[in-house]
Amino acid sequence: DGGITQSPKYLFRKEGQNVTLSCEQNLNHDAMYWYRQDPGQGLRLIYYSQIVNDFQKGDIAEGYSVSREKKESFPLTVTSAQKNPTAFYLCASSVGTPGEKLFFGSGTQLSVL
Amino acid sequence: GQNIDQPTEMTATEGAIVQINCTYQTSGFNGLFWYQQHAGEAPTFLSYNVLDGLEEKGRFSSFLSRSKGYSYLLLKELQMKDSASYLCAVRDGSSNTGKLIFGQGTTLQVKP
Repeated sequence: DGGITQSPKYLFRKEGQNVTLSCEQNLNHDAMYWYRQDPGQGLRLIYYSQIVNDFQKGDIAEGYSVSREKKESFPLTVTSAQKNPTAFYLCASSVGTPGEKLFFGSGTQLSVL
Repeated sequence: GQNIDQPTEMTATEGAIVQINCTYQTSGFNGLFWYQQHAGEAPTFLSYNVLDGLEEKGRFSSFLSRSKGYSYLLLKELQMKDSASYLCAVRDGSSNTGKLIFGQGTTLQVKP
């Protein structure tokens, strides 16, 4: 079955540590996105990529980094510069054209130890 | 600026009808989406409106008025499984990408 897979489901970060969240899709979608979800707030865009080897900052990119070396994969690294990393992280993909819906992964809950 | 407003919480009774409103102010407009999200799970697509009017899909309908910057999601014959958060999202017209701007979501509780 086609879909979008995020791992791990739960992740803990120690202070000063970088952690990487995985996102893989087999939908053959060109565009991929990372959103952050905090309680009581809407999804906020961290980074997005419309094509392999290209990505753009979203609204809250500081303290995060991404890569898009393969069409199927769009990993997100939460660096030590992100001072408030505790959140639910959602990866999504789409065909990339306006009007096309986003397909979401099941999310990663990141917590700070 | 970009702003999307939804009520934070709503409560309704099983079998009833509920309407969840969404108002938006964006630099442009290129479509409005509604998603359903159960706690700790992925948002799932419910509906898409780009032209004014009502789109019906089973028990769910979505309405759009672009001149008023307003949309609503109508849920009929409510079931307990409809208890979830409902996310309104707008694709602004200044972007030719697929990225969406989300409201804070409306948590709907369906009671027996």
